Amino acid sequence: GQQLNQSPQSMFIQEGEDVSMNCTSSSIFNTWLWYKQDPGEGPVLLIALYKAGELTSNGRLTAQFGITRKDSFLNISASIPSDVGIYFCAGTDSNYQLIWGAGTKLIIKP
Amino acid sequence: DAGITQSPRHKVTETGTPVTLRCHQTENHRYMYWYRQDPGHGLRLIHYSYGVKDTDKGEVSDGYSVSRSKTEDFLLTLESATSSQTSVYFCAIKDGTGWGGYTFGSGTRLTVV
Repeated sequence: GQQLNQSPQSMFIQEGEDVSMNCTSSSIFNTWLWYKQDPGEGPVLLIALYKAGELTSNGRLTAQFGITRKDSFLNISASIPSDVGIYFCAGTDSNYQLIWGAGTKLIIKP
Repeated sequence: DAGITQSPRHKVTETGTPVTLRCHQTENHRYMYWYRQDPGHGLRLIHYSYGVKDTDKGEVSDGYSVSRSKTEDFLLTLESATSSQTSVYFCAIKDGTGWGGYTFGSGTRLTVV
C-alpha cells in the first residue's frame, strides 16, 4: 500500500533545543495531520492542515502543508521533557484514504 | 472528550483461540475504526464501520472480522489467533468535521503465545 516516509525515526535532543521532523509522499495529499502518542495511550491530534502552503501553530508547535502537496513538516521550539513521545504524520490521498507515517520517537537527553 | 473505551487493555492468548476486542463510544458517532500498531509500521487500518451493520475492510483485514450491532459498540474478532497478530490494537472514532477529527482509545495490547 501507499506509504509516507517520515524522518527521522528517532531523535535525541537536549531540553531547550528546537526539533524538526518531516513527512514526504510520492503522490499528492489533500490533508496533513500531525499526532503525538504518549506511552500506553492512543495518538492525540496536534495540528491539522487542509491547504497547500498552510502554516499553522499550536503553542510551541508549528506545522506546514508543503506547496507541492507531497510533504509536511512539524517544528517544536524550545523542547521540554513532556515533549517526549512518538510523533506521527498522517495524510489523506486522492482517494481520501488516511495513510500514516511510521513515527518519529523523541527522546530528551538527561 | 469523545468518550471512547477499549477492553480489555491487556490480553495474552494461545495460538488458535478466538479473541474479541471491544470498542465502546458514548457519543453516537457514525464512523469507527480498528487499527493495529507495530514498530516501524505506524498505524494500519484493519476494518472500519460507517454505521450499524455497515463495515468495510482496511489495509490489513486478513484474519480479522468485525461487527457493529449497535452504534456505540464496534467489536474486532480474531477467529483463530496467530503469533503475527501480536500487536497493540487501537479503536478510533471520527468525531469532527474534516479529516482531523479522529479520537483514539487507549489501546489493547494483545500477545499471542
